[in-house]
Amino acid sequence: NAGVTQTPKFQVLKTGQSMTLQCAQDMNHEYMSWYRQDPGMGLRLIHYSVGAGITDQGEVPNGYNVSRSTTEDFPLRLLSAAPSQTSVYFCASRYRGYNEQFFGPGTRLTVL
Amino acid sequence: AQSVTQLGSHVSVSEGALVLLRCNYSSSVPPYLFWYVQYPNQGLQLLLKYTTGATLVKGINGFEAEFKKSETSFHLTKPSAHMSDAAEYFCAVSRYQGAQKLVFGQGTRLTINP
Repeated sequence: NAGVTQTPKFQVLKTGQSMTLQCAQDMNHEYMSWYRQDPGMGLRLIHYSVGAGITDQGEVPNGYNVSRSTTEDFPLRLLSAAPSQTSVYFCASRYRGYNEQFFGPGTRLTVL
Repeated sequence: AQSVTQLGSHVSVSEGALVLLRCNYSSSVPPYLFWYVQYPNQGLQLLLKYTTGATLVKGINGFEAEFKKSETSFHLTKPSAHMSDAAEYFCAVSRYQGAQKLVFGQGTRLTINP
């Protein structure tokens, strides 16, 4: 199993550009989530999904869109990047009913 | 609402010394508590978790944590630090088994001095 994979590892954007961060898992986990990690703030939940076709907002959803067309994939879209979205983004997945989340290696995004 | 406070954003210990990383939580219901570790340039990895039952929880790499309801604490300890323990550690809480919203503390960076 590859576990949770994320692409790209690094990305630099200009303000106003759009992009999609990719996340995939091969563990057949129902639940998937996106977090952002900022210094001194731990991880904050952006969006999550409890299954294909079902998504919901987390703590800091503004400026981000998600969709879940398959169990395996959960892309995160930045519609119009802003410097405040400079962060490290982590995707995570888990089985329904279990708390242990499996994290991907992260995407480091810089918005100029 | 739940919250987690980790006391000390940076902790430095000597190799072989006791490691103590502090975590206090607030929760209106019995919590589920977790410690995650993040090595440089990697994702988070579960160290240990408390759900129900025994309050002293053992995890990987010789770490353990004790759930103390009266003190609303879940401190992480290791008797003897190793250089490979240098990493960032996150305490997290959720409301119930299977809850999607995992609330993280701000993290504690552990440095090991030779």
